[in-house]
Amino acid sequence: AQRVTQPEKLLSVFKGAPVELKCNYSYSGSPELFWYVQYSRQRLQLLLRHISRESIKGFTADLNKGETSFHLKKPFAQEEDSAMYYCALSFQGGKLIFGQGTELSVKP
Amino acid sequence: NAGVMQNPRHLVRRRGQEARLRCSPMKGHSHVYWYRQLPEEGLKFMVYLQKENIIDESGMPKERFSAEFPKEGPSILRIQQVVRGDSAAYFCASSPTGTQNQPQHFGDGTRLSIL
Repeated sequence: AQRVTQPEKLLSVFKGAPVELKCNYSYSGSPELFWYVQYSRQRLQLLLRHISRESIKGFTADLNKGETSFHLKKPFAQEEDSAMYYCALSFQGGKLIFGQGTELSVKP
Repeated sequence: NAGVMQNPRHLVRRRGQEARLRCSPMKGHSHVYWYRQLPEEGLKFMVYLQKENIIDESGMPKERFSAEFPKEGPSILRIQQVVRGDSAAYFCASSPTGTQNQPQHFGDGTRLSIL
């Protein structure tokens, strides 16, 4: 069955520290993976997708098919990165399967 | 472009009443997805619609829930005879195509509370 797992419910780091939000997936086909972010009092928005292989706001994510992972990384966290982060797997007509979400808290 | 519009933002219903949630997709988008988020959980897919058609309703409860996306007007998610367990945030998303690699644009959600 298709599944997305984000093992950390809450991740707390200090400003300037590296951050890695973990995401593992289970899918027998060719995965299309996304990271969505929800800042306080804002709607869910796309952060990045693996197909673009781009860096947004300093974040990157590499698809590792061997480990079935799509971890989100940033070398130096900023306070404005504090938000809820969701990893999502897209398949069959574009519907998304979401992980449970990780709340990132960046302390000054 | 105002983005995906959902209304109402908050909806309170008593057990047994009906709840109607509306979603207007982004301009130019003809594919609509509904997701439900229960407290302390991630978003769960409910239904995928294109204009006048239900494409995939595999995540929709078999009873009391229905969805439509008419030729004119917003998409509607309807919950009949609501129960306490229906209390959740309901999110709508839209995309211009129904392809796997197309990101979705989300609305602010409707917070449904059942008394």
